[in-house]
Amino acid sequence: KNEVEQSPQNLTAQEGEFITINCSYSVGISALHWLQQHPGGGIVSLFMLSSGKKKHGRLIATINIQEKHSSLHITASHPRDSAVYICAVGGTSYGKLTFGQGTILTVHP
Amino acid sequence: ETGVTQTPRHLVMGMTNKKSLKCEQHLGHNAMYWYKQSAKKPLELMFVYSLEERVENNSVPSRFSPECPNSSHLFLHLHTLQPEDSALYLCASSRTSGLTDTQYFGPGTRLTVL
Repeated sequence: KNEVEQSPQNLTAQEGEFITINCSYSVGISALHWLQQHPGGGIVSLFMLSSGKKKHGRLIATINIQEKHSSLHITASHPRDSAVYICAVGGTSYGKLTFGQGTILTVHP
Repeated sequence: ETGVTQTPRHLVMGMTNKKSLKCEQHLGHNAMYWYKQSAKKPLELMFVYSLEERVENNSVPSRFSPECPNSSHLFLHLHTLQPEDSALYLCASSRTSGLTDTQYFGPGTRLTVL
């Protein structure tokens, strides 16, 4: 079993729908990151969370430390949101993030 | 030029070749990373450098040899690779190697080993 599990693995939505991607982890962490990877490989960091909730535009990320669970929400989804969304957690080792397998999101117009 | 750049973007090499991947960051960061992304597998950390010293070596085979001559440049030297080493190799940098610092990624080098 991976230390970081994401669900669903694949997600298809219609433009405008509300989207939720989940991340569960089994280790103690100091921080959780949500990343976005577009076709071609480039990765962009969306959020870093250690508690609570963060919002940036149409994206909202929440974390529940007790339940070892985080969610990434996208409101009013758009085809340009189509990408792979990756959850990563940091434990105690220098710079060592452990990554989930990613959620492939496709938003149709 | 800003951000994190990687060269080459694509590389095809035979199992007996020696090649190097280059990463450069223009963000004034002190930590740099090499990651491997294989098809249908999560990103795997290979190496972490902080202030030009290697602080993490994630059980990577010796056919991969990193070099960090200064805080802006990171190399990954490759020799006698195997076909299973074909993957996307990503470089990243962050202000420090602390786990709460955002990592900024380069576009990656798509490596194919024949």
